[in-house]
Amino acid sequence: GENVEQHPSTLSVQEGDSAVIKCTYSDSASNYFPWYKQELGKRPQLIIDIRSNVGEKKDQRIAVTLNKTAKHFSLHITETQPEDSAVYFCAASSYKLSFGAGTTVTVRA
Amino acid sequence: DTAVSQTPKYLVTQMGNDKSIKCEQNLGHDTMYWYKQDSKKFLKIMFSYNNKELIINETVPNRFSPKSPDKAHLNLHINSLELGDSAVYFCASSQGGSGPYEQYFGPGTRLTVT
Repeated sequence: GENVEQHPSTLSVQEGDSAVIKCTYSDSASNYFPWYKQELGKRPQLIIDIRSNVGEKKDQRIAVTLNKTAKHFSLHITETQPEDSAVYFCAASSYKLSFGAGTTVTVRA
Repeated sequence: DTAVSQTPKYLVTQMGNDKSIKCEQNLGHDTMYWYKQDSKKFLKIMFSYNNKELIINETVPNRFSPKSPDKAHLNLHINSLELGDSAVYFCASSQGGSGPYEQYFGPGTRLTVT
């Protein structure tokens, strides 16, 4: 089955700086790579996703890159703000979503 | 106008009891899921139904039994609750067809077994 590894497990950044989270996956059949944000006590919510036919996707301050050959994908958040503080999960999907272990991001004001 | 709803939000019960969690989605989606999020925040799929048919059944104890009376509802019944069942259980839904597609999560049910 799919195995998704996510690093780092915690990330503390100064407000305004960038944050980068990296994930690797094992199943070459995976073709969909979403990123979810989960605030404390809330549900996971999709912030951006990318499919295997695309190498990069951007939405305002958030971007995701995918390297299918190396089986890794990354989330980039620029100009971080305090409201970006949350747990971020990467996931990979062929027939089911397999999640990474999560990254707790803290943005220091 | 809630897209995916779950009841109850909190559930505190004793070991050995049987309990149910209900989930409903009003998005018109064909596929619904149950996830378990443990104390370390790890999210793991348990079951998935597509148009009332079970399509994913991970290695979950037989004490857990999902039921989908129609494609808008997916309930989870748990027999003989154990301490290790304490977790947050999330229901989710997505479009059917030749996806995969974005999954929309419910608010979660925090189950505490004492």
